[in-house]
Amino acid sequence: EAQVTQNPRYLITVTGKKLTVTCSQNMNHEYMSWYRQDPGLGLRQIYYSMNVEVTDKGDVPEGYKVSRKEKRNFPLILESPSPNQTSLYFCASSLRVRGASLNYEQYFGPGTRLTVT
Amino acid sequence: QQQVKQSPQSLIVQKGGISIINCAYENTAFDYFPWYQQFPGKGPALLIAIRPDVSEKKEGRFTISFNKSAKQFSLHIMDSQPGDSATYFCAASRDYKLSFGAGTTVTVRA
Repeated sequence: EAQVTQNPRYLITVTGKKLTVTCSQNMNHEYMSWYRQDPGLGLRQIYYSMNVEVTDKGDVPEGYKVSRKEKRNFPLILESPSPNQTSLYFCASSLRVRGASLNYEQYFGPGTRLTVT
Repeated sequence: QQQVKQSPQSLIVQKGGISIINCAYENTAFDYFPWYQQFPGKGPALLIAIRPDVSEKKEGRFTISFNKSAKQFSLHIMDSQPGDSATYFCAASRDYKLSFGAGTTVTVRA
């Protein structure tokens, strides 16, 4: 089954304790991205990757790191989490980027609910 | 700040009625406008999308209307069904980035 998986689905942690949220897709997609969803703000893009070893900042990258060493995996790293990073996080992937814009369907994972106390 | 402004925040419609959600943007560099549907506990899923050179796109009961000069676009859900109850997000894409509106929670009453 074609899908994007995220782990863990739920995580409660304390301020400053490094954590990694994993994301994996089995569709051989080139493009992957991370979003956070907050009430009243919709989804905001954190980082994206157009291919292996190619990553770039989205609209809200502060406090986050990513890496893309393999095509299927795109982990999100919070080196020193803070309470304002409490949110619902989604990973997404897309077949390819055409031309100068992203205009292929993005497939979203099930989400990771993170609470930082 | 929000690059795509979406309204209303929520709406209630009777079964068989029409749901209308509006979005506005400022950046004329946006070149792809998708709508996503999200059910509770799930990730968003693409519903329908349009490019700015098209004024309207229809897929089943869902229609996007696009007004390039006004920098506005809207989603119409015709013959709304209880199964359409979900949160809907408009979005706009440029330079490999995707900007979402704040979302509209639609409740369809049977």
